[in-house]
Amino acid sequence: AQSVSQHNHHVILSEAASLELGCNYSYGGTVNLFWYVQYPGQHLQLLLKYFSGDPLVKGIKGFEAEFIKSKFSFNLRKPSVQWSDTAEYFCAAFPRGAGSYQLTFGKGTKLSVIP
Amino acid sequence: DSGVTQTPKHLITATGQRVTLRCSPRSGDLSVYWYQQSLDQGLQFLIQYYNGEERAKGNILERFSAQQFPDLHSELNLSSLELGDSALYFCASSPQGINTDTQYFGPGTRLTVL
Repeated sequence: AQSVSQHNHHVILSEAASLELGCNYSYGGTVNLFWYVQYPGQHLQLLLKYFSGDPLVKGIKGFEAEFIKSKFSFNLRKPSVQWSDTAEYFCAAFPRGAGSYQLTFGKGTKLSVIP
Repeated sequence: DSGVTQTPKHLITATGQRVTLRCSPRSGDLSVYWYQQSLDQGLQFLIQYYNGEERAKGNILERFSAQQFPDLHSELNLSSLELGDSALYFCASSPQGINTDTQYFGPGTRLTVL
């Protein structure tokens, strides 16, 4: 069965530090990949997505992610975090050839940014 | 604000009871998805509807059912509730329910079963 793994449960950074959150998926075929963010008390919002093309994807709020097919990875990065980035981050995937569009989510990584 | 609305925001009920959660998709979206978020299982896909028809089923228990109405709103019915059903239930919507769509999530309904 397809799965998505996020290696870090909780990451604590100081403002201006660089961020990299790991995401790996287990599916041999073509996948669509997403990063969603959930700010405290709010709904899930799409940060960025990768369907095909340039493996370096830029999203909102200065986030980017790199798709590395050989490593089955889609890591999220931001050069300099702000306190307002404190949130939970979810990586998600679904196999492109599937008949339906059901996302498989990772367990999430909680990011705490200290001012 | 994603444009997806869910009611109620919070629901507290007892074991053995039945509840109904409601979702209104974004204007123009034809597909609705239900997800359950719990501490131990994370975010899990339950079921998808497209224009009133069930399109896909995930890890949805037999005690749970859903439907999408002609006005495209959807309801998730949870019956014979157990303590372990306590979770955050999210609804999402997308335009066509196909693999080039983006899913937009609602604020969720927090269900507490006592």
